[in-house]
Amino acid sequence: DTGVSQNPRHKITKRGQNVTFRCDPISEHNRLYWYRQTLGQGPEFLTYFQNEAQLEKSRLLSDRFSAERPKGSFSTLEIQRTEQGDSAMYLCASSTRNKPFEQYFGPGTRLTVT
Amino acid sequence: DQQVKQNSPSLSVQEGRISILNCDYTNSMFDYFLWYKKYPAEGPTFLISISSIKDKNEDGRFTVFLNKSAKHLSLHIVPSQPGDSAVYFCAARPGANNLFFGTGTRLTVIP
Repeated sequence: DTGVSQNPRHKITKRGQNVTFRCDPISEHNRLYWYRQTLGQGPEFLTYFQNEAQLEKSRLLSDRFSAERPKGSFSTLEIQRTEQGDSAMYLCASSTRNKPFEQYFGPGTRLTVT
Repeated sequence: DQQVKQNSPSLSVQEGRISILNCDYTNSMFDYFLWYKKYPAEGPTFLISISSIKDKNEDGRFTVFLNKSAKHLSLHIVPSQPGDSAVYFCAARPGANNLFFGTGTRLTVIP
């Protein structure tokens, strides 16, 4: 399978716990994006990497959120001290430098904070 | 504020007929527009895109039309097939690297 993969697919956690999600982009894609989607809404941009450099962050990405892409391949998104409002689908996407606007999405990680 | 709007939450069409999905936007800085299709339990799948310098782009059964003066985008699917039943998202790029998405339109193609 050469598409974008995300793990885990589902995560249930208690409020106040930390969680970490992983994204493996399409191998030749140097750009990687994180989005969040809540019920009835479209995906909302969180952050973007070009190779290992985090170049853009949305104001939606509070201090409790941190993303890394240490070797320019896979990425992790960590949420510290989770809140119920963090419950959402977290989507990862990747694209090439030549067509950065054609972003290919993974299946997402559904987070439920109880 | 919602910069990309899809005002129809759902649409039902008979198999073989045309499906027209609409999208409006407010930001004149958007330079690329895209349509994504999403099935349940999957991430959005890229369908077709159009540059702001064009007014039409076609790919098989899918055609996207852009009316910049009206800030309006539409996706035509002809002929519609039951496998096209999904949620369709309109998205736009503001000359940067993120995408702004609409809230989606659920298309149901009735056999």
